[in-house]
Amino acid sequence: KAGVTQTPRYLIKTRGQQVTLSCSPISGHRSVSWYQQTPGQGLQFLFEYFSETQRNKGNFPGRFSGRQFSNSRSEMNVSTLELGDSALYLCASSGGTENYGYTFGSGTRLTVV
Amino acid sequence: AQKVTQAQTEISVVEKEDVTLDCVYETRDTTYYLFWYKQPPSGELVFLIRRNSFDEQNEISGRYSWNFQKSTSSFNFTITASQVVDSAVYFCALSEARNAGKSTFGDGTTLTVKP
Repeated sequence: KAGVTQTPRYLIKTRGQQVTLSCSPISGHRSVSWYQQTPGQGLQFLFEYFSETQRNKGNFPGRFSGRQFSNSRSEMNVSTLELGDSALYLCASSGGTENYGYTFGSGTRLTVV
Repeated sequence: AQKVTQAQTEISVVEKEDVTLDCVYETRDTTYYLFWYKQPPSGELVFLIRRNSFDEQNEISGRYSWNFQKSTSSFNFTITASQVVDSAVYFCALSEARNAGKSTFGDGTTLTVKP
């Protein structure tokens, strides 16, 4: 079955712009989590959505937002981009079954110039 | 607050050697999950294992084995007879059961297996 799909794979944006990243979870998975990975801060949790509701939120400024659609696809948006937002953004989905592990996508590498 | 510590930043071994990656965690919750993930150069995090806090049985899967000890808050990962394809960054992670979708990751251990 298809894995978690993130688009686009690479993105270059200018400071001050905004960006939207997309994540399509594994079919049937209702939970989608987003993480930011940088060399300095490592993997940091952004937020989790479950059945179109934000269930958890990490310690990121309000410029980072997300949403989930009825088909479980999720988007995250970063407004007023800063150089420090350059990172690999990873999305993970889970079916919520007893022995689940989160399946991650290949990520979107965002570069802010 | 949760915390995951992977004290080994980088490990280098020669093929066929056994290698153990250490993971120590902190949490106030009594019910939690522990994970190991592998991140090859392509960037995708590959799920390896999840362990529930109430299940201290060790796990073996092929050349991989995991040793979970609540008494020392450790969840170590051993690769037996390492191979070049095992070269990657390995992450240990922790989730509280009530917030299972939110994981705290360690800083990762970069494993290099030389032929």
